[in-house]
Amino acid sequence: EVQLVQSGAEVKKPGESLKISCKGFGYSFTSYWIAWVRQTPEKGLEWMGIIYPGDSDTRYSPSFQGQVTISADKSINTAYLQWSSLKASDTAMYYCARRGGREYFESWGQGTLVTVSS
Amino acid sequence: EIVLTQSPGTLSLSPGERATLSCRASQSVGSSYLAWYQQKPGQAPRLLIYDVSSRATGIPDRFSGSGSGTDFTLTISRLEPEDLAVYYCQQYVSSPFTFGPGTKVDVK
Repeated sequence: EVQLVQSGAEVKKPGESLKISCKGFGYSFTSYWIAWVRQTPEKGLEWMGIIYPGDSDTRYSPSFQGQVTISADKSINTAYLQWSSLKASDTAMYYCARRGGREYFESWGQGTLVTVSS
Repeated sequence: EIVLTQSPGTLSLSPGERATLSCRASQSVGSSYLAWYQQKPGQAPRLLIYDVSSRATGIPDRFSGSGSGTDFTLTISRLEPEDLAVYYCQQYVSSPFTFGPGTKVDVK
């Protein structure tokens, strides 16, 4: 069974850094793209970017380019989403999701809630 | 960027009724590049339909998708109480891959 297991909820202050993770189980991690999706009440679901763990090829949405970094460590079947300096507006639920045959997302992690507040 | 709009915002129906959800795109997404997701309260989204009309693994056949160009429809033929959720469409014809704002389905 395919599973994506994300790291736990985080509470951070503005300006702090953060790296959240997504570990894949039950499939060949290096063979499927992994996307990150943000969800907020105000903007709904937003595709942030995607990485191919096999060679770390990464693509970003223009809205998130330069704001976050997506990476992967294929030796431990884990993808990451990181911020160097968090803002209150980064408060959201973040999901990782495995790409299907095209850019739709057939398996999702359980979500990581990130709260940024002074 | 392709903008997706969904209607209605909320649909309130009784078990056994048919639900028809609409998704409209600001420009053509062709005949293949649209997916539908279901998100139940407190859960991650779940893929229902991809490539406009293909059901994802394990999805009951009461869920069906149709459409092309800029107008797409998700139909739930006979609502069940567990279908209470928000339903999102997503286009993947061009990056950034965008989602609609969702339709909330209430099962009375």
